[in-house]
Amino acid sequence: EDKVVQSPLSLVVHEGDTVTLNCSYEVTNFRSLLWYKQEKKAPTFLFMLTSSGIEKKSGRLSSILDKKELSSILNITATQTGDSAIYLCAVEGETSGSRLTFGEGTQLTVNP
Amino acid sequence: GAGVSQTPSNKVTEKGKYVELRCDPISGHTALYWYRQSLGQGPEFLIYFQGTGAADDSGLPNDRFFAVRPEGSVSTLKIQRTERGDSAVYLCASSFTGTSYNEQFFGPGTRLTVL
Repeated sequence: EDKVVQSPLSLVVHEGDTVTLNCSYEVTNFRSLLWYKQEKKAPTFLFMLTSSGIEKKSGRLSSILDKKELSSILNITATQTGDSAIYLCAVEGETSGSRLTFGEGTQLTVNP
Repeated sequence: GAGVSQTPSNKVTEKGKYVELRCDPISGHTALYWYRQSLGQGPEFLIYFQGTGAADDSGLPNDRFFAVRPEGSVSTLKIQRTERGDSAVYLCASSFTGTSYNEQFFGPGTRLTVL
Protein backbone atom coordinates (compact mmCIF):
# COMPACT_ATOMS: atom_id res chain seq x y z
CA GLU A 1 0.00 0.00 0.00
CA ASP A 2 1.35 3.41 -1.00
CA LYS A 3 2.14 5.80 1.85
CA VAL A 4 3.06 9.48 2.15
CA VAL A 5 4.30 11.23 5.28
CA GLN A 6 4.68 14.99 5.48
CA SER A 7 6.50 17.07 8.04
CA PRO A 8 6.08 19.29 9.85
CA LEU A 9 2.29 19.05 10.20
CA SER A 10 2.12 22.75 10.97
CA LEU A 11 4.47 25.67 10.72
CA VAL A 12 4.20 29.34 11.69
CA VAL A 13 6.63 31.87 10.24
CA HIS A 14 6.95 35.60 9.65
CA GLU A 15 6.73 37.30 6.29
CA GLY A 16 10.06 37.16 4.53
CA ASP A 17 11.16 33.88 6.08
CA THR A 18 12.20 30.88 3.98
CA VAL A 19 10.47 27.57 4.67
CA THR A 20 11.16 23.97 3.72
CA LEU A 21 8.39 21.40 3.72
CA ASN A 22 9.19 17.71 3.67
CA CYS A 23 7.54 14.73 2.07
CA SER A 24 8.64 11.10 2.28
CA TYR A 25 6.94 8.26 0.46
CA GLU A 26 6.64 4.54 -0.04
CA VAL A 27 5.20 3.54 -3.39
CA THR A 28 5.39 0.50 -5.63
CA ASN A 29 6.99 1.40 -8.96
CA PHE A 30 7.17 5.15 -8.49
CA ARG A 31 5.72 7.20 -11.31
CA SER A 32 5.39 10.79 -10.07
CA LEU A 33 5.19 13.04 -7.01
CA LEU A 34 2.92 16.06 -6.95
CA TRP A 35 2.66 19.10 -4.72
CA TYR A 36 -0.65 20.94 -4.25
CA LYS A 37 -1.63 24.10 -2.35
CA GLN A 38 -5.01 24.05 -0.58
CA GLU A 39 -6.34 27.38 0.65
CA LYS A 40 -10.10 26.90 0.95
CA LYS A 41 -11.32 23.64 -0.49
CA ALA A 42 -9.84 23.00 -3.94
CA PRO A 43 -6.21 21.82 -3.99
CA THR A 44 -4.39 23.74 -6.72
CA PHE A 45 -1.53 22.13 -8.60
CA LEU A 46 2.01 23.37 -7.97
CA PHE A 47 4.55 20.86 -9.30
CA MET A 48 4.91 17.37 -10.70
CA LEU A 49 8.25 15.61 -10.23
CA THR A 50 9.22 12.46 -12.07
CA SER A 51 12.34 10.40 -12.71
CA SER A 52 13.09 12.65 -15.68
CA GLY A 53 12.25 15.90 -13.93
CA ILE A 54 13.54 15.94 -10.39
CA GLU A 55 13.73 19.70 -9.93
CA LYS A 56 11.05 22.32 -10.57
CA LYS A 57 10.91 26.05 -9.87
CA SER A 58 8.24 28.70 -10.21
CA GLY A 59 8.89 32.12 -8.78
CA ARG A 60 9.55 31.83 -5.07
CA LEU A 61 8.58 28.15 -4.97
CA SER A 62 10.87 25.29 -5.85
CA SER A 63 10.83 21.55 -5.33
CA ILE A 64 13.34 18.73 -5.51
CA LEU A 65 12.84 14.99 -5.70
CA ASP A 66 15.35 12.62 -4.10
CA LYS A 67 14.57 9.17 -5.49
CA LYS A 68 17.34 7.57 -3.49
CA GLU A 69 15.96 8.85 -0.20
CA LEU A 70 12.33 8.49 -1.37
CA SER A 71 11.57 12.06 -0.45
CA SER A 72 10.89 15.53 -1.75
CA ILE A 73 11.13 19.05 -0.38
CA LEU A 74 9.14 22.14 -1.22
CA ASN A 75 10.93 25.43 -0.62
CA ILE A 76 9.26 28.80 -0.38
CA THR A 77 11.51 31.84 -0.18
CA ALA A 78 10.55 35.36 0.95
CA THR A 79 7.21 34.08 2.26
CA GLN A 80 4.11 36.26 2.04
CA THR A 81 0.83 36.11 3.96
CA GLY A 82 -0.77 34.81 0.77
CA ASP A 83 1.36 31.69 1.06
CA SER A 84 -0.66 30.65 4.12
CA ALA A 85 -2.33 27.38 3.17
CA ILE A 86 -2.15 23.62 3.52
CA TYR A 87 0.52 22.12 1.28
CA LEU A 88 -0.26 18.58 0.14
CA CYS A 89 2.17 16.04 -1.25
CA ALA A 90 0.89 13.09 -3.30
CA VAL A 91 2.43 10.17 -5.15
CA GLU A 92 1.38 8.03 -8.07
CA GLY A 93 2.67 4.51 -8.65
CA GLU A 94 2.41 2.27 -11.68
CA THR A 95 0.47 -0.38 -9.82
CA SER A 96 -1.99 2.08 -8.30
CA GLY A 97 -3.37 3.15 -11.65
CA SER A 98 -4.07 6.85 -11.81
CA ARG A 99 -5.02 7.31 -8.17
CA LEU A 100 -3.04 9.74 -6.05
CA THR A 101 -2.06 8.88 -2.48
CA PHE A 102 -1.86 12.03 -0.36
CA GLY A 103 -0.07 12.87 2.85
CA GLU A 104 -1.80 14.67 5.72
CA GLY A 105 -0.49 18.02 4.55
CA THR A 106 1.52 20.80 6.17
CA GLN A 107 -0.46 23.76 7.51
CA LEU A 108 1.68 26.84 6.82
CA THR A 109 0.80 30.14 8.48
CA VAL A 110 2.69 33.26 7.46
CA ASN A 111 2.23 36.17 9.86
CA PRO A 112 2.80 39.78 8.82
CA GLY B 1 -11.77 27.86 -19.58
CA ALA B 2 -13.98 26.83 -16.70
CA GLY B 3 -12.53 24.59 -14.03
CA VAL B 4 -14.04 21.61 -12.28
CA SER B 5 -17.34 22.50 -10.65
CA GLN B 6 -19.20 20.67 -7.90
CA THR B 7 -22.69 21.03 -6.53
CA PRO B 8 -23.92 21.56 -3.95
CA SER B 9 -21.11 23.35 -2.13
CA ASN B 10 -22.62 22.30 1.19
CA LYS B 11 -25.06 19.55 2.05
CA VAL B 12 -26.55 18.87 5.47
CA THR B 13 -28.57 15.71 5.87
CA GLU B 14 -29.87 13.42 8.56
CA LYS B 15 -28.51 10.01 9.37
CA GLY B 16 -30.09 7.36 7.16
CA LYS B 17 -30.92 9.68 4.26
CA TYR B 18 -29.76 9.37 0.64
CA VAL B 19 -27.57 12.05 -0.97
CA GLU B 20 -26.23 12.79 -4.42
CA LEU B 21 -23.16 14.89 -5.11
CA ARG B 22 -22.47 16.20 -8.61
CA CYS B 23 -19.21 16.87 -10.42
CA ASP B 24 -18.78 18.66 -13.75
CA PRO B 25 -15.22 18.13 -15.03
CA ILE B 26 -13.15 20.33 -17.29
CA SER B 27 -14.40 20.04 -20.85
CA GLY B 28 -12.44 17.46 -22.82
CA HIS B 29 -11.03 15.66 -19.78
CA THR B 30 -11.68 11.94 -20.09
CA ALA B 31 -10.55 10.97 -16.60
CA LEU B 32 -12.55 11.84 -13.49
CA TYR B 33 -11.73 11.07 -9.85
CA TRP B 34 -13.57 11.26 -6.54
CA TYR B 35 -11.71 11.77 -3.27
CA ARG B 36 -12.90 12.26 0.30
CA GLN B 37 -11.12 14.57 2.74
CA SER B 38 -11.75 14.43 6.46
CA LEU B 39 -10.72 17.25 8.77
CA GLY B 40 -6.96 17.40 9.22
CA GLN B 41 -6.31 14.70 6.63
CA GLY B 42 -5.24 14.61 3.02
CA PRO B 43 -7.69 13.58 0.30
CA GLU B 44 -8.40 9.85 0.17
CA PHE B 45 -9.12 8.15 -3.17
CA LEU B 46 -12.60 6.75 -3.76
CA ILE B 47 -13.11 5.99 -7.46
CA TYR B 48 -11.69 6.78 -10.90
CA PHE B 49 -13.54 6.91 -14.23
CA GLN B 50 -12.02 6.65 -17.66
CA GLY B 51 -14.79 7.78 -19.98
CA THR B 52 -18.06 6.23 -18.85
CA GLY B 53 -16.62 3.26 -17.02
CA ALA B 54 -15.25 2.99 -13.51
CA ALA B 55 -11.63 1.96 -14.05
CA ASP B 56 -10.88 1.67 -10.35
CA ASP B 57 -13.49 1.70 -7.58
CA SER B 58 -11.33 0.07 -4.93
CA GLY B 59 -11.43 3.14 -2.69
CA LEU B 60 -15.19 3.08 -2.12
CA PRO B 61 -15.54 2.26 1.59
CA ASN B 62 -18.62 0.01 1.30
CA ASP B 63 -21.65 -0.74 -0.84
CA ARG B 64 -23.52 2.33 0.39
CA PHE B 65 -21.31 4.36 -1.95
CA PHE B 66 -21.85 4.32 -5.69
CA ALA B 67 -20.85 6.62 -8.55
CA VAL B 68 -21.88 6.96 -12.18
CA ARG B 69 -20.73 8.86 -15.22
CA PRO B 70 -23.28 7.84 -17.87
CA GLU B 71 -22.18 10.10 -20.73
CA GLY B 72 -18.49 10.38 -19.94
CA SER B 73 -18.73 13.91 -18.60
CA VAL B 74 -20.75 14.78 -15.47
CA SER B 75 -20.46 12.34 -12.59
CA THR B 76 -22.69 11.75 -9.59
CA LEU B 77 -21.53 10.23 -6.32
CA LYS B 78 -24.41 8.59 -4.50
CA ILE B 79 -24.44 7.69 -0.81
CA GLN B 80 -27.24 5.58 0.63
CA ARG B 81 -28.23 5.35 4.30
CA THR B 82 -25.78 8.06 5.30
CA GLU B 83 -23.90 7.73 8.57
CA ARG B 84 -22.27 10.40 10.73
CA GLY B 85 -18.88 9.02 9.72
CA ASP B 86 -19.60 9.98 6.11
CA SER B 87 -19.26 13.65 7.05
CA ALA B 88 -16.33 15.05 5.06
CA VAL B 89 -15.46 17.20 2.05
CA TYR B 90 -15.96 15.25 -1.15
CA LEU B 91 -13.54 16.41 -3.85
CA CYS B 92 -13.78 15.73 -7.54
CA ALA B 93 -10.83 16.02 -9.94
CA SER B 94 -10.35 15.56 -13.66
CA SER B 95 -7.36 15.06 -15.92
CA PHE B 96 -6.87 15.07 -19.66
CA THR B 97 -6.33 11.36 -20.23
CA GLY B 98 -5.91 9.53 -16.96
CA THR B 99 -2.61 8.11 -18.06
CA SER B 100 0.55 8.80 -16.12
CA TYR B 101 2.05 12.26 -15.77
CA ASN B 102 -1.33 13.93 -16.06
CA GLU B 103 -1.93 16.47 -13.33
CA GLN B 104 -5.33 16.25 -11.72
CA PHE B 105 -7.36 19.47 -11.44
CA PHE B 106 -9.60 19.65 -8.40
CA GLY B 107 -13.01 21.19 -7.86
CA PRO B 108 -13.98 23.18 -4.75
CA GLY B 109 -15.61 20.17 -3.14
CA THR B 110 -18.92 19.46 -1.44
CA ARG B 111 -18.93 19.63 2.33
CA LEU B 112 -21.27 16.88 3.55
CA THR B 113 -22.53 17.00 7.12
CA VAL B 114 -24.57 14.07 8.43
CA LEU B 115 -26.43 14.92 11.62
